[in-house]
Amino acid sequence: EAGVVQSPRYKIIEKKQPVAFWCNPISGHNTLYWYRQNLGQGPELLIRYENEEAVDDSQLPKDRFSAERLKGVDSTLKIQPAELGDSAVYLCASSVGSSPIYFGEGSWLTVV
Amino acid sequence: AQTVTQSQPEMSVQEAETVTLSCTYDTSESDYYLFWYKQPPSRQMILVIRQEAYKQQNATENRFSVNFQKAAKSFSLKISDSQLGDAAMYFCAYRKIQGAQKLVFGQGTRLTINP
Repeated sequence: EAGVVQSPRYKIIEKKQPVAFWCNPISGHNTLYWYRQNLGQGPELLIRYENEEAVDDSQLPKDRFSAERLKGVDSTLKIQPAELGDSAVYLCASSVGSSPIYFGEGSWLTVV
Repeated sequence: AQTVTQSQPEMSVQEAETVTLSCTYDTSESDYYLFWYKQPPSRQMILVIRQEAYKQQNATENRFSVNFQKAAKSFSLKISDSQLGDAAMYFCAYRKIQGAQKLVFGQGTRLTINP
């Protein structure tokens, strides 16, 4: 069974530029999460989807971050414009029901 | 709000020895899940072990076992017969059963295995 797939794995951009990350969850997983992990810290939730509905986006900086999950499968996380402090690893994860949450390999963002 | 605390930023152990990583948490819920995730340098979070709070029996997965003390809100991970491949960051995480399904992570413990 394929795991959670994320792309790109690595991205280096200049500040004020836009960037987008894509995630394909495990087949059949209706819950999708985006987490951000700063260096030396644990991941923190940005947004959680139940199917195509965003049910927890309280930690998403809505002035520059946006996310969508069309058709309740793949998801895209966008940052525009990026700031230096956005440098982090962006982790996508998925689950179904009370099953454990499984993570992708992450997208490393460096803003210079 | 739920919080998870890992008080050991770094731990080291000799290969083949046993090491225990500590975790405490705070919640007002009676039912919840606790997890240990391993994060190697590749940064993928890999599930190591899961404990349901309503189960008194401690979970085990091969060389990995937990000591779950519900009253003390403590959830430690024991790694037996440590191997070089166990070297990684280890994160303790909490998840409610009802309502918000997100994982709340601790700060992590970096485990080094000395050959």
